[in-house]
Amino acid sequence: GNSVTQMEGPVTLSEEAFLTINCTYTATGYPSLFWYVQYPGEGLQLLLKATKADDKGSNKGFEATYRKETTSFHLEKGSVQVSDSAVYFCALPFGQAGTALIFGKGTTLSVSS
Amino acid sequence: DSGVTQTPKHLITATGQRVTLRCSPRSGDLSVYWYQQSLDQGLQFLIQYYNGEERAKGNILERFSAQQFPDLHSELNLSSLELGDSALYFCASSADRNGEKLFFGSGTQLSVL
Repeated sequence: GNSVTQMEGPVTLSEEAFLTINCTYTATGYPSLFWYVQYPGEGLQLLLKATKADDKGSNKGFEATYRKETTSFHLEKGSVQVSDSAVYFCALPFGQAGTALIFGKGTTLSVSS
Repeated sequence: DSGVTQTPKHLITATGQRVTLRCSPRSGDLSVYWYQQSLDQGLQFLIQYYNGEERAKGNILERFSAQQFPDLHSELNLSSLELGDSALYFCASSADRNGEKLFFGSGTQLSVL
């Protein structure tokens, strides 16, 4: 079945630093790929998605490009803010039928001013 | 506010007991998903219902069961509880069957003592 692996955290950065969180996947076919974010005390929420190879998803200054050659979907942001401190999850569909999502273990980002 | 309501927010119980977690999806959403989040396992997909029928099953133990009612709310029943069942249980909903954009509740924190 499909699976996803993302880099272990925590990631600790200063405000305005560049962020990369690595995510690689194993999948049958070319499923949509997702990044979700979980702020303290809340449930996950969709951050961005890409539906096909070479697509770039973007939202709130975050970007991720669907790379089928390297089976990767790394999350990047050029200048992080303290308010970006959260847990970030890479995700893809559970199986070929596309029902539900499975998530990576999550990467905790902590940004200090 | 995602629009997904989970009750209770916290639950403390003893080993061997049985509990029921409740989820009300966003208005109009037909799909409900249950996830378990723990420090060691991360976010694990348990089960999905679509319009009252089971659609996908993940890593759900036989001691656990779920159902979705005609009014679309869902309940997750956990029985013969063990210490290792202590976790944060999330419900999510989506408008379609493929679950690409999930809206998560704030979770139920279960502590088994």
